[in-house]
Amino acid sequence: QVQMVESGGGVVQPGKSLRLSCAASGFTFSTYALHWVRQAPGKGLEWVAVISYDGDKTYYADSVRGRFTTSRDNSKNTLFLHVTTVTTEDSAVYYCAKSQSGGYLSGMDVWGHGTSVTVSS
Amino acid sequence: DIQMTQSPSTLSASVGDRVTITCRASQSISSRLAWYQQKPGEAPKLLIFKASTLESGVPSRFSGSGSGTEFTLTISSLQPDDFAIYYCQQYNTYWTFGQGTKVEIK
Repeated sequence: QVQMVESGGGVVQPGKSLRLSCAASGFTFSTYALHWVRQAPGKGLEWVAVISYDGDKTYYADSVRGRFTTSRDNSKNTLFLHVTTVTTEDSAVYYCAKSQSGGYLSGMDVWGHGTSVTVSS
Repeated sequence: DIQMTQSPSTLSASVGDRVTITCRASQSISSRLAWYQQKPGEAPKLLIFKASTLESGVPSRFSGSGSGTEFTLTISSLQPDDFAIYYCQQYNTYWTFGQGTKVEIK
């Protein structure tokens, strides 16, 4: 069964850091680009970051570039998002999602259930 | 940056209605467009990619069309399970979602 499961969310104080994880199974993890997408409470979807199948290339939304870092461990079928210097604007449900192909020019066909991050003092 | 604008923001319809949602891109994205359905408390679900290709397992009442800057998602006969929020997404230059269209019961 193809699935992705996020973890690592919770309540974090402004200015602090946290690391989100996404464990995948049921597909050849190392051959697909992977994305992070977030959704603030009551809001729409916002693309956050993508990492290439081999981890060599990463791209970020302007809103998070310089503060978020995505990485992957293909030996453990796990994707990571390191989030630093959080603000209340980062409060959201964070989803990991699989690209339909190894490249970037495709939709996202498998999504995790999301992990909630709340930034609050 | 490419902006994606959906209309309407909210759509009230009845079971059996034909429903059309429009998505406009701020510049040409060829056919690099996907549509997603999201229900409350759930992750988005891919419905259509490459503007008009139906994802495996998605009912045939869903269809997509368009290219360049204007796209549509059509539900030919709305079913109770279809009341949800629908998002378009471009993947031509980075990735951008539309603001969403809520399909609600009339």
